[in-house]
Amino acid sequence: KAGVTQTPRYLIKTRGQQVTLSCSPISGHRSVSWYQQTPGQGLQFLFEYFSETQRNKGNFPGRFSGRQFSNSRSEMNVSTLELGDSALYLCASSQGAGELFFGEGSRLTVL
Amino acid sequence: GENVEQHPSTLSVQEGDSAVIKCTYSDSASNYFPWYKQELGKRPQLIIDIRSNVGEKKDQRIAVTLNKTAKHFSLHITETQPEDSAVYFCAAGPGNAGNMLTFGGGTRLMVKP
Repeated sequence: KAGVTQTPRYLIKTRGQQVTLSCSPISGHRSVSWYQQTPGQGLQFLFEYFSETQRNKGNFPGRFSGRQFSNSRSEMNVSTLELGDSALYLCASSQGAGELFFGEGSRLTVL
Repeated sequence: GENVEQHPSTLSVQEGDSAVIKCTYSDSASNYFPWYKQELGKRPQLIIDIRSNVGEKKDQRIAVTLNKTAKHFSLHITETQPEDSAVYFCAAGPGNAGNMLTFGGGTRLMVKP
């Protein structure tokens, strides 16, 4: 079975731009969660989608948004990028509620 | 919301010794407590988890204990090996209500050969 796939793996943007990250979960997994990982703040929950519906949402500003498609693939979007948005964005999939299988992450650098 | 504190932030042990990492959480509604291991440059991977209806769980050299009354849980690694060197994260979540995990700050474990 293929693991969780995230694209792109690395990207560089400038302040004010927007970015879209993609995540393909493990086949059969209906839950996709997104986490932000930074040296200072650690791993922070962004949001979770289950069967195309946002099931949970973390404490991030509205510039961070996401969606899930009927094939369970998910995207997250960050608009009006700020320097502090530089981070590793991790996607994780799960069959329901339990073990999370993480992808390799998308490393975003904002200049 | 939930708050998870993890100690220590770094831990250095000699190969063969035991390592213990402790976490406390604040939300009594949390009932799922996983532990993830993240090697340098790699993705976090689940090593063990425990639910609130269980007090202890073991998997070979790894064990987790949970005290719901005191709101703390611990990871125990026995007979440590150099390949155990990594960052370990504890987390707390609502369990069946979804995968919204609150992570601790992480513990960098170094096992010296």
